[in-house]
Amino acid sequence: QSVLTQPPSASGAPGQRVTISCSGSSSNIGNNPVIWYQQLPGTAPKLLMYNYSQRPSGVPDRFSGSKSGTSASLAISGLQSEDEADYFCAAWDDSLDGVVFGGGTKLSVL
Amino acid sequence: QVQLVQSGAEVKKPGASVKVSCEASGYRFTDYYIHWVRQAPGQGLEWMGFINPSRGSTSYAQKFKGRITMTRDTSTSTVYLEVSSLRSEDTVMYYCARGNWGPHMDVWGKGTTVTVSS
Repeated sequence: QSVLTQPPSASGAPGQRVTISCSGSSSNIGNNPVIWYQQLPGTAPKLLMYNYSQRPSGVPDRFSGSKSGTSASLAISGLQSEDEADYFCAAWDDSLDGVVFGGGTKLSVL
Repeated sequence: QVQLVQSGAEVKKPGASVKVSCEASGYRFTDYYIHWVRQAPGQGLEWMGFINPSRGSTSYAQKFKGRITMTRDTSTSTVYLEVSSLRSEDTVMYYCARGNWGPHMDVWGKGTTVTVSS
């Protein structure tokens, strides 16, 4: 049981827009920045988004992030087949005094 | 370029210990924390803790306190994760990742598979 809650799966057709949610509490998302990671099959996770909506160099602007209260969202527009991956949200939890992850969302591009 | 190179796969018996290494290169070793994150087959990511290579100070997730030890060797820019009293549930991939004190991890190692089996 993960501290942050994500839907187990999401899907969309090429070119469409899909949103992945991440729900937490006041001790994590509500009070700390959210990070998003992308994990392609058989590879290590890759930093995708930090401070809710900042993208590292090399991450296309098709990816965007937002936060509202104790929830965060990752949006992917103009879906491409290469976006098929697992997506994880993460945040610092003040009560647990550590990093917590969401359970991950498997994105399928139909 | 910045990279983290992890040691190779391990097979251990239940009750044994394992020590996994993570060698950093391409940046000043003491400028960034090193986190350890593990992932069971087909499962999500689980944070284990981090070490500050500059001071050697550590922070462990509550679940692993008493069973893991993170150390560093500044002369070789290498961080180590030791897990003791191994059980079948410890059959996972262990990743090291460079970051700050929080969840921002910008460079990851390729992972080390540890299999616990009698």
